[in-house]
Amino acid sequence: AQTVTQSQPEMSVQEAETVTLSCTYDTSESDYYLFWYKQPPSRQMILVIRQEAYKQQNATENRFSVNFQKAAKSFSLKISDSQLGDAAMYFCAYRSAWGGSEKLVFGKGTKLTVNP
Amino acid sequence: DAGVIQSPRHEVTEMGQEVTLRCKPISGHNSLFWYRQTMMRGLELLIYFNNNVPIDDSGMPEDRFSAKMPNASFSTLKIQPSEPRDSAVYFCASTYSGGHTNQPQHFGDGTRLSIL
Repeated sequence: AQTVTQSQPEMSVQEAETVTLSCTYDTSESDYYLFWYKQPPSRQMILVIRQEAYKQQNATENRFSVNFQKAAKSFSLKISDSQLGDAAMYFCAYRSAWGGSEKLVFGKGTKLTVNP
Repeated sequence: DAGVIQSPRHEVTEMGQEVTLRCKPISGHNSLFWYRQTMMRGLELLIYFNNNVPIDDSGMPEDRFSAKMPNASFSTLKIQPSEPRDSAVYFCASTYSGGHTNQPQHFGDGTRLSIL
């Protein structure tokens, strides 16, 4: 079974600075997808960014980017120019690709605090 | 576009009562997921449907839990009888599944369930 580990229960960053959230995963599959979801206090689950394992290029969405290291099974999220609205729980998630289960396997989350 | 709609948003009930949570997926989506979020266990999949058929119910805790998807636009998760340990936030999510696609799962706002 696949597992996802987020080793930082909490992180903090100053407004306008950059922060990196860590995620590692364990799988024997070669094709899969990885996601970062954001959960603000309103408890919505909001997709931040996604990565296909077969793509070598790291995904980027505006201020959010990932560092995907397939051999190391690492998928970290970098938030640049942090804003107060970025404060939330961040969850890393794994999903099998073709032929596998469609369920998302989540890490335990990292609580991000943004200090003004 | 309307997102995934869950009801009720909050539910407080006494132990032993029947609880029914409802979900309307995004129109056109053919896969629907029920997740549960607790402090202890994080986010975990309970069951998911594809084309209204249950595919993986290995996460359903016990026989007290049941889920149905009578048509493409409606699903229920029922707990009978409810117990205090069922208190959690229950999320419904939907996506389009077809071929080798990386369509993300879209989440509803969740139902916060409290069993007294």
